Amino acid sequence: QSALTQPASVSGSPGQSITISCTGTSSDVGDYNYVSWYQQHPGKAPKLMIYDVSNRPSGVSNRFSGSKSGNTASLTISGLQAEDEADYYCNSYTSSRTRVFGTGTKVTVL
Amino acid sequence: EVQLVESGGGLVQPGGSLRLSCAASGFTFDNYWMNWVRQAPGKGLEWVANIKEDGSEKYYVDSVKGRFTISRDNAENSLYLQMNSLTVEDTAVYYCVRGLWGRSVGFEYWGQGTLVTVSS
Repeated sequence: QSALTQPASVSGSPGQSITISCTGTSSDVGDYNYVSWYQQHPGKAPKLMIYDVSNRPSGVSNRFSGSKSGNTASLTISGLQAEDEADYYCNSYTSSRTRVFGTGTKVTVL
Repeated sequence: EVQLVESGGGLVQPGGSLRLSCAASGFTFDNYWMNWVRQAPGKGLEWVANIKEDGSEKYYVDSVKGRFTISRDNAENSLYLQMNSLTVEDTAVYYCVRGLWGRSVGFEYWGQGTLVTVSS
């Protein structure tokens, strides 16, 4: 149950697009379309942004999109805004029927 | 409005025990998988355990197997986490988290968390 691998940090200017990767194995990300993404601002509880690889919950901006190729899932934030500055975590279902989070990515808006 | 309110956190010595509770409201509790997720100070998220709608299936992260027990009382709309043989590595904010409806997988609603500190 090793954590999924994410870049420690990603940055972009307002209006730009950024992509955060989430790399797992054939026992988690690669074998199931059950990847989700979470946004966490300092001192706050995480918020669900994407589920089942590419679905957005009601109320989440369409600037957030998800995809997957092989063992790597990705979260893209388009039209970057100051309020998007936060930590982001991916999560996947695993072959052991457990769940595993990614290492987390700090997004900085320059 | 969905609400998840955790309680039971606090300071405990290594080797000690603690029982966390989560009071759920605003939704039909026995229609959802429930989870515990923790976050050590300054660290990332770690999924701890989950339990099926009727309590018939339970899963744990390897690091807590044999020490933690997740349970639920659907009549009381409550989720629990019994934590035994605690170590300093268990120090974290523990979140009660509701899953998504049906076959979708994700953590839709989160409580505000309860802090567990394991220290001598």
